[in-house]
Amino acid sequence: GQQVMQIPQYQHVQEGEDFTTYCNSSTTLSNIQWYKQRPGGHPVFLIQLVKSGEVKKQKRLTFQFGEAKKNSSLHITATQTTDVGTYFCAGVPNAGGTSYGKLTFGQGTILTVHP
Amino acid sequence: SAVISQKPSRDICQRGTSLTIQCQVDSQVTMMFWYRQQPGQSLTLIATANQGSEATYESGFVIDKFPISRPNLTFSTLTVSNMSPEDSSIYLCSVDGGGTNEQFFGPGTRLTVL
Repeated sequence: GQQVMQIPQYQHVQEGEDFTTYCNSSTTLSNIQWYKQRPGGHPVFLIQLVKSGEVKKQKRLTFQFGEAKKNSSLHITATQTTDVGTYFCAGVPNAGGTSYGKLTFGQGTILTVHP
Repeated sequence: SAVISQKPSRDICQRGTSLTIQCQVDSQVTMMFWYRQQPGQSLTLIATANQGSEATYESGFVIDKFPISRPNLTFSTLTVSNMSPEDSSIYLCSVDGGGTNEQFFGPGTRLTVL
């Protein structure tokens, strides 16, 4: 079945440093989504990427979708303590039918920001 | 966006017993999903629940262990049956965004089995 690998598992940064997490799927994706989960909270949707090579920005966050639609990255510029949490990518398979709407989550990257 | 509530928020149960988790949405949705998340781990999809049809289970999850009901477009339940300590986890329901694929998650139910 589809697998989504995400690295690194952990990232500790000083406030102000940049942060990047990478996601790689074993199969071509219809789209990829990113979620943030604060400690003790539930996953919250950040963004969806659909097009090959797509780049989207949300303030200090930059999301990229690879040309082959199998990999993605999230980059945070100048981290702040409010960025603390676990960042998950989640892939939607390319096939329809019974796969519609189903997300396969990566393992997540736990981000710690030291003030 | 959808607002989702779950009951109970947490519970401590004895092995061999069963717990039913409720998921309530503030709007009608087609698809609802149930996930399991062990502490510090990723989310694993248990099943997809559509109103009016049997739930579709992912590999490794069976209906006898995790029966699901979906009586209407705003409500679903997941039962964890004959629990063992290995079932200790956070159980989350989610709903799709209605054509946009994004999912909205409930706050989760933290289950501890002794």
